[in-house]
Amino acid sequence: ETGVTQTPRHLVMGMTNKKSLKCEQHLGHNAMYWYKQSAKKPLELMFVYNFKEQTENNSVPSRFSPECPNSSHLFLHLHTLQPEDSALYLCASSQGLAGHVDTQYFGPGTRLTVL
Amino acid sequence: AQSVTQLDSQVPVFEEAPVELRCNYSSSVSVYLFWYVQYPNQGLQLLLKYLSGSTLVKGINGFEAEFNKSQTSFHLRKPSVHISDTAEYFCAVSDQTGGGNKLTFGTGTQLKVEL
Repeated sequence: ETGVTQTPRHLVMGMTNKKSLKCEQHLGHNAMYWYKQSAKKPLELMFVYNFKEQTENNSVPSRFSPECPNSSHLFLHLHTLQPEDSALYLCASSQGLAGHVDTQYFGPGTRLTVL
Repeated sequence: AQSVTQLDSQVPVFEEAPVELRCNYSSSVSVYLFWYVQYPNQGLQLLLKYLSGSTLVKGINGFEAEFNKSQTSFHLRKPSVHISDTAEYFCAVSDQTGGGNKLTFGTGTQLKVEL
């Protein structure tokens, strides 16, 4: 596989369920990102990891819990979500090198529906 | 704080006609500008980017954009569109270098190419 992959592509869950989204990048990058894309709204940055360390948490509710075990993998653990959390969740990666302007490469996204 | 405005939420155009998608930004420091395209049910794909140097930037699929500092604009153009260009286009700005830089996105412009 090349680029950035995300699984599952579609997920339907109840408000009491616990599920996880997975992202994997095959580009040798060091920085990884989670974004939320809702209809008619700009992409919202949720979390940023660089060299496995979280460098940004954009005031995301605690029902979203990220995990970055290594530079190639990023997870988003979900629990007790609300219907308004239904959206497309996009993962991205970039080189993450100091002094460089990063270009972010995106995965295809996970379409999440919360019932 | 940086922001991006894409004034046109939808742009209909006939095949083989030229198109311009508008993007204006605000930022208090040096800016790096990006255009991404999102085809249905896919993630974002980088079209082109402006980091420095020539203000006219050429990208993939025949698109180009011009950085205009005095007008704080970065409009995207294509001289002749094809049906396959139907997609959503996002302008984004970053004012950071280094690992895990934050992108601020506009709300997107839906380009619909008609026969």
